[in-house]
Amino acid sequence: QLQLQESGPGLVKPSETLSLTCTVSGGSLSGAVYNWDWIRQPPGKGLEWIGSVYYSGTTYYNPSLKGRLSISIDTSKNQFSLRLHFVTAADTAVYYCARGQNLAFDYWGQGILATVSS
Amino acid sequence: EIVLTQSPGTLSLSPGERATLSCRASQSISSRYLAWYQQKPGQAPRLLIYIASNRATGIPDRFTGSGSGTDFTLSISRLEPEDSAVYYCQHYGSSPFMYTFGQGTKLEIK
Repeated sequence: QLQLQESGPGLVKPSETLSLTCTVSGGSLSGAVYNWDWIRQPPGKGLEWIGSVYYSGTTYYNPSLKGRLSISIDTSKNQFSLRLHFVTAADTAVYYCARGQNLAFDYWGQGILATVSS
Repeated sequence: EIVLTQSPGTLSLSPGERATLSCRASQSISSRYLAWYQQKPGQAPRLLIYIASNRATGIPDRFTGSGSGTDFTLSISRLEPEDSAVYYCQHYGSSPFMYTFGQGTKLEIK
């Protein structure tokens, strides 16, 4: 059974960088049919797609975040990561990692709350 | 960019009834690119339907996705208390590459 687990600091100061890692177990990151994604959900609000990375390293970002965002993949560690720079309170959210297949997200991590506060 | 608008915002029904949730796209989209999710409080979303009408693994046949063009529907028959959740539709767009979600419909089973 594929499992995804987010990790990283729960508290980040304004203007600093939020760094999160998703560790995948029970399966491999390799495979052209899959994309590996980050999705976030501010408290009490809806879902926002952040970006995708493929095993090749190809990335796609939400245009609203593109200038602050970096997503990378390490297939040797079965991990992919997110770095969001210059964070503000508006970036406070539960961050999910997920696997994309058939243009949808079929496996999700449990989510990690990242709070931006001084 | 495609905008997805879900209605109603909240739906209150009784066990055994049928729920009909709507997802309207701001322009015509391919049904291949439409999915539905269920999210319960404190949990990650769970994929219900992909490519508009295909049930994900383990999803009971009480859940049915349909639609085309700009109007898509998630139907849930024989409602059970455990169906209480927020339901989201989601679209994939290729130009630019982007996934967007509707704002969600809260389903209450009383």
